[in-house]
Amino acid sequence: GAVVSQHPSWVICKSGTSVKIECRSLDFQATTMFWYRQFPKQSLMLMATSNEGSKATYEQGVEKDKFLINHASLTLSTLTVTSAHPEDSSFYICSQGGQGLGDNQPQHFGDGTRLSIL
Amino acid sequence: KQEVTQIPAALSVPEGENLVLNCSFTDSAIYNLQWFRQDPGKGLTSLLLIQSSQREQTSGRLNASLDKSSGRSTLYIAASQPGDSATYLCAVRTSGSRLTFGEGTQLTVNP
Repeated sequence: GAVVSQHPSWVICKSGTSVKIECRSLDFQATTMFWYRQFPKQSLMLMATSNEGSKATYEQGVEKDKFLINHASLTLSTLTVTSAHPEDSSFYICSQGGQGLGDNQPQHFGDGTRLSIL
Repeated sequence: KQEVTQIPAALSVPEGENLVLNCSFTDSAIYNLQWFRQDPGKGLTSLLLIQSSQREQTSGRLNASLDKSSGRSTLYIAASQPGDSATYLCAVRTSGSRLTFGEGTQLTVNP
């Protein structure tokens, strides 16, 4: 069964709306979770690393005020796309990491969230 | 900075063929390499993980090899089936749990 639960799977909303995406680690307490973005026919690009109890680490070029990350517990990280615009339309995927994930354990991903901004 | 490249970008084969997907990476200081499958509009399914100390891993019709010193990995799919059609991604794990992905190979297996 799934070890990472991501919700919702699909969102369509108007420009200017803020959208929250949840990512839950089901099989262990993840001190770190990763958020990726994927444009059509492209690979996954790491956006940010979510750290439990502290600030997220953002990759170069990713606006932290645009993509708010909260990792309030060891099993839940959320990504909020604030005031979303059509250019934010993409596929967002999270994965688990950190505590409990040994060097040679496979990393598991959520099923992704397709965000479409009209 | 780690860079991962996959060749070919797309591949179309008739059912039953054996095929090889290639992945190369620039920094050999990796913990492991993982192959994933992604169906359209879906998340990633982990197929095989090769530890940095290993040379290959097998699961059913899939065999993945790793040559860390040369920065190369291959995914071999035997007796391909239409259900194997998907995008295949390789990713290397470096510091912490961070993964760096290739662009993927889009595979189509024709009945």
